[in-house]
Amino acid sequence: SQTIHQWPATLVQPVGSPLSLECTVEGTSNPNLYWYRQAAGRGLQLLFYSVGIGQISSEVPQNLSASRPQDRQFILSSKKLLLSDSGFYLCAWTFGGGEGELFFGEGSRLTVL
Amino acid sequence: GENVEQHPSTLSVQEGDSAVIKCTYSDSASNYFPWYKQELGKRPQLIIDIRSNVGEKKDQRIAVTLNKTAKHFSLHITETQPEDSAVYFCAASKGYSTLTFGKGTMLLVSP
Repeated sequence: SQTIHQWPATLVQPVGSPLSLECTVEGTSNPNLYWYRQAAGRGLQLLFYSVGIGQISSEVPQNLSASRPQDRQFILSSKKLLLSDSGFYLCAWTFGGGEGELFFGEGSRLTVL
Repeated sequence: GENVEQHPSTLSVQEGDSAVIKCTYSDSASNYFPWYKQELGKRPQLIIDIRSNVGEKKDQRIAVTLNKTAKHFSLHITETQPEDSAVYFCAASKGYSTLTFGKGTMLLVSP
């Protein structure tokens, strides 16, 4: 069966510090991978998605970036965090092709102070 | 691109009552409509989905209806229980495109 792991679960970072959130999927090959953000506990905002290694599509221009160095690994990064980057970040995957159920990771709660 | 509107934003019901959440979509080519439930502090999880070749789908106390002509779909929860309290998201997509989510409905079920 397939599983998705995301870490860290919680982090508190000062403004201007870097960020790295990591996500891995096990039990499947060539998944589509996604990063979402939720602010104020509502609304799922799609940040990035990837259909393959090195292929990243950005939905919202901002100071975040994503990378997919391996087939089942997806990383969300920032060089300098802003207060507005605080939120609940969710990694997700679908089977290759992108159709069908979206499976979410446990989420990472980021607080920028 | 696709636009999904979801109403109401908050819904309070008494235990045992029914709850209905409605969504409309803009792209008539959309053909996949899932519903996700997100409990406080947890990840969203799929509870039911429907494809455009079906008008209604039921799974125990939950059901989804789809009206392709009017471009709207609804989630129905019968005999609500306190554990149904959560935020519910509708979404729509076509083919292999990414899902477009509604803004969510916070359902509160009072004992």
